[in-house]
Amino acid sequence: EAGVAQSPRYKIIEKRQSVAFWCNPISGHATLYWYQQILGQGPKLLIQFQNNGVVDDSQLPKDRFSAERLKGVDSTLKIQPAKLEDSAVYLCASRGQYFGPGTRLTVL
Amino acid sequence: GQQVMQIPQYQHVQEGEDFTTYCNSSTTLSNIQWYKQRPGGHPVFLIQLVKSGEVKKQKRLTFQFGEAKKNSSLHITATQTTDVGTYFCAGSFNAGNNRKLIWGLGTSLAVNP
Repeated sequence: EAGVAQSPRYKIIEKRQSVAFWCNPISGHATLYWYQQILGQGPKLLIQFQNNGVVDDSQLPKDRFSAERLKGVDSTLKIQPAKLEDSAVYLCASRGQYFGPGTRLTVL
Repeated sequence: GQQVMQIPQYQHVQEGEDFTTYCNSSTTLSNIQWYKQRPGGHPVFLIQLVKSGEVKKQKRLTFQFGEAKKNSSLHITATQTTDVGTYFCAGSFNAGNNRKLIWGLGTSLAVNP
């Protein structure tokens, strides 16, 4: 069984630029989560999808972050514009239990 | 709102000593999951507990779910250097027609050889 795929693995941008992350969950998994994990902290849930519907986005900074899962399969997370404090690893999880390798974002 | 508290935040042990981390929820959980995250890695799922009072073992790891389904513990017997990492609990609870997952802040375990 293929795991959760994420890309890119690393991204360096300057503040005020835009960035997008992609996640392809395990086939057949309806639930998909995006987490932000700042160095030394636990994962913070940004958004939870059930198929293509949003279950919980209460901690998503909606003024700059957006996420979609149009066909209920893969998902993208976008930050526009990025701030220095957005530097973190962005983790995608399938069914909540299966994590991708993450995208390490550095905002300069 | 719902919270999952995890203690201790850090634990430093000598190899061979035991280690325990505890999770407490402000609300009754549907289930609780435990994860291990090595430095530089992503969380890796260890186990899910569903039943009240459930106890599960994985080699030197023992997981317990409280009778009220509000607390849980992970106990490692005779720690090894390979046990180093941060252990997270994540509690799942019903929210309307959906399930929500709340994470604890984790317990970082350091093991001296």
